[in-house]
Amino acid sequence: EAGVVQSPRYKIIEKKQPVAFWCNPISGHNTLYWYRQNLGQGPELLIRYENEEAVDDSQLPKDRFSAERLKGVDSTLKIQPAELGDSAVYLCASSLDRSTGELFFGEGSRLTVL
Amino acid sequence: AQSVAQPEDQVNVAEGNPLTVKCTYSVSGNPYLFWYVQYPNRGLQFLLKYITGDNLVKGSYGFEAEFNKSQTSFHLKKPSALVSDSALYFCAVRQGGFKTIFGAGTRLFVKA
Repeated sequence: EAGVVQSPRYKIIEKKQPVAFWCNPISGHNTLYWYRQNLGQGPELLIRYENEEAVDDSQLPKDRFSAERLKGVDSTLKIQPAELGDSAVYLCASSLDRSTGELFFGEGSRLTVL
Repeated sequence: AQSVAQPEDQVNVAEGNPLTVKCTYSVSGNPYLFWYVQYPNRGLQFLLKYITGDNLVKGSYGFEAEFNKSQTSFHLKKPSALVSDSALYFCAVRQGGFKTIFGAGTRLFVKA
């Protein structure tokens, strides 16, 4: 069974440029999460989807961040424009059971903003 | 608000010795508790979880964790550490609303 797939693995951009990250969750997993992990810290939730509906986006900085999950499968997270403080690893995860199920993580997309 | 605390930034242990990585939580109601491991430049991998039932849960790679409701703790343990266990370990809690909160992580070093 294929795991959660993310791309790109690494991205270096200059500040004020846009960037997008893509995630393909495990087949059949209706719940999809985007987390941000800063160096030396635990992941912090940005947004959670149940199918194509964003059910928790309270931590998403909506002035520059946007996300979508068309057709309830793949998802894209976008930052426009990027700031220096956005440098982090962006993790996508999916789960089969939103209440008791564990999260399955992708390998992450490491963003460096110069 | 729910929260997770991992009081140790780093744990050092000799290979073959038992290890403990500590975790305490704060939630209202019954928590669902998880441990994940992260190797360098990789995503998090699930180790084990406590949902209900026996307070001692067993997981992957010989790890286990003990749920203690009175102390609101969920410490990760392994009877005999391996060098390959060296990694970053995260405790996580999920409560109503299905939001999973992660601790800051504990780096485990196992010395040969």
